Amino acid sequence: SQTIHQWPATLVQPVGSPLSLECTVEGTSNPNLYWYRQAAGRGLQLLFYSVGIGQISSEVPQNLSASRPQDRQFILSSKKLLLSDSGFYLCAFDPGANVLTFGAGSRLTVL
Amino acid sequence: AQSVTQPDIHITVSEGASLELRCNYSYGATPYLFWYVQSPGQGLQLLLKYFSGDTLVQGIKGFEAEFKRSQSSFNLRKPSVHWSDAAEYFCAVVNSNSGYALNFGKGTSLLVTP
Repeated sequence: SQTIHQWPATLVQPVGSPLSLECTVEGTSNPNLYWYRQAAGRGLQLLFYSVGIGQISSEVPQNLSASRPQDRQFILSSKKLLLSDSGFYLCAFDPGANVLTFGAGSRLTVL
Repeated sequence: AQSVTQPDIHITVSEGASLELRCNYSYGATPYLFWYVQSPGQGLQLLLKYFSGDTLVQGIKGFEAEFKRSQSSFNLRKPSVHWSDAAEYFCAVVNSNSGYALNFGKGTSLLVTP
């Protein structure tokens, strides 16, 4: 079966520190991968998507970056976190059926 | 680009009452539409989807939605709400310009009272 894993589930980081959130998918090959951010009361905002290894598209200019070093691995990073980076980050994949499956999310608090 | 609007931020219904959550889409052609549900602190779970064909689609947990092209709507319904249905509900549409990502509405928060 197809599954998606995100970690860590919760993260508290000081301003200016680096960030790495990881997402892996099992049970499918060459999925489309997505990072969304959910801020309180603001719905879900698409941050990055990837249609293949090494192919990253950014939707919103920001302090974050994404990488896809392997077919089923998607990483969200930052070199220096800002207060405004706090939020709930969701990874999702589409195996090719135009239906997104979401991970359980990572809660980031920047202090 | 394709977009959806959820006009209701909060809705309160009594347990056992019927429910309708509104969603309006903006797209010239036939959109791919979805409803997802999110419990607090959790990821999103797919309730149902519409791609084409029968305009009344059935989903999980007793939910259904009806695609109405004339009204550009895709409203979610449930005949009898249970307390466990309290959650955030999101309508979404495929964005063919962004790797077939989903564009989401801002969500409707459902509160169920005894």
